Amino acid sequence: EAGVAQSPRYKIIEKRQSVAFWCNPISGHATLYWYQQILGQGPKLLIQFQNNGVVDDSQLPKDRFSAERLKGVDSTLKIQPAKLEDSAVYLCASSLVDRRSRDQYFGPGTRLLVL
Amino acid sequence: QKEVEQNSGPLSVPEGAIASLNCTYSDRGSQSFFWYRQYSGKSPELIMFIYSNGDKEDGRFTAQLNKASQYVSLLIRDSQPSDSATYLCAVNSGGNKLVFGAGTILRVKS
Repeated sequence: EAGVAQSPRYKIIEKRQSVAFWCNPISGHATLYWYQQILGQGPKLLIQFQNNGVVDDSQLPKDRFSAERLKGVDSTLKIQPAKLEDSAVYLCASSLVDRRSRDQYFGPGTRLLVL
Repeated sequence: QKEVEQNSGPLSVPEGAIASLNCTYSDRGSQSFFWYRQYSGKSPELIMFIYSNGDKEDGRFTAQLNKASQYVSLLIRDSQPSDSATYLCAVNSGGNKLVFGAGTILRVKS
């Protein structure tokens, strides 16, 4: 079974520039999550989708971050404009909706450095 | 604000010893609890989950849950150098939303 795919793996941009990340979840996983992990901290949930609807985006800085999941499969996360404090690893995860199996599986992450 | 607290470590144990990792959480209504392992530069990998009070064993790993004390722990028996990693405690705060602790760094010395 293929895992969660993310691209790019690394990105370096200057502050005030824009950047976009892509995620393809495990086939059949209806729920998709974007996390931000700053160095030395645990992952923080930014947004949770179920199919193509938003379940929770309470911690998404909506003035600069946006995310979409068209057709309930792939998802993109965008930052515009980026700030220095956005330097982090952006992790995508997916899970089944089944109550018996809600384990979240993480992709390799995209490492963002904002200069 | 729902919180998950872990000692950042590093926790150093000799090879073959038992490593004990601890986690406390603030949301008394939490129902499910997870331990993830994260190697440096890699993404988190699920190693254990527990829903009920008591112990749950899986190979060298044992998760312990005490809901009254709002406390979760992970024991790693016969620790190996390959167990050296950051261990993240995560709590399901509802709607399958996970709140993570900052992680405990474990170092197993051969």
